[in-house]
Amino acid sequence: SSELTQDPAVSVALGQTVRITCQGDSLRTYYANWYQQKPGQAPLLVLFGKDNRPSGIPDRFSGSTSGTTASLTITGAQAEDEADYYCNSRDTSGNQQVFGGGTKLSVL
Amino acid sequence: QLQLQESGPGLVKPSETLSLTCTVSGGSINNRDYYWGWIRQPPGKGLEWIGSIYYSGTTYYNPSLKSRVTISVDSSKKQFSLRLGSLTAADTAVYYCLREEVADENRFDPWGQGLLVTVSS
Repeated sequence: SSELTQDPAVSVALGQTVRITCQGDSLRTYYANWYQQKPGQAPLLVLFGKDNRPSGIPDRFSGSTSGTTASLTITGAQAEDEADYYCNSRDTSGNQQVFGGGTKLSVL
Repeated sequence: QLQLQESGPGLVKPSETLSLTCTVSGGSINNRDYYWGWIRQPPGKGLEWIGSIYYSGTTYYNPSLKSRVTISVDSSKKQFSLRLGSLTAADTAVYYCLREEVADENRFDPWGQGLLVTVSS
């Protein structure tokens, strides 16, 4: 079982703001990283650390953490943001990597 | 630009051992800032970290797979490899190789395109 918990599905209207959350005790110690996966493609890193975007990721993607909950926020969601999103961090022992179960984002 | 490419069989039999190789291009595998790892994804399901290796050979594995997994590195060939034994149908998945940062974030970037491995007789 995953030590990071995500809502299975979230929807957002085109152009609106959506928050995808990831909950786990290890997030008190480690930041979450976020990956976007579209059908038939490998996951793509979209956020890492406190609130960092790799080169080429639009600034509508942002991150935050409060207690044991990390959030990925998309401000002004676009049709191309429709995808599965996975959070990841180390587990509470620090000795392994864990993933959340993934959130399917639908842009309506 | 760093690129990774998985190679290996697409079909293996139950109880056998899977061997996959990841070839790194566009950068050095002998880099103190990174691990090199494997993650898998069963069809229609989520991501599962398998394990990672440092260029020196230091490894760390998912405890749930540790008894069946070996990851090795061949710096001269710019390759690292995964061996997973005692296969069952539950090991059917897309297997990704990737680079993992050593720093606190431990981010996985970039990823290979993935290789579907089916375990079936």
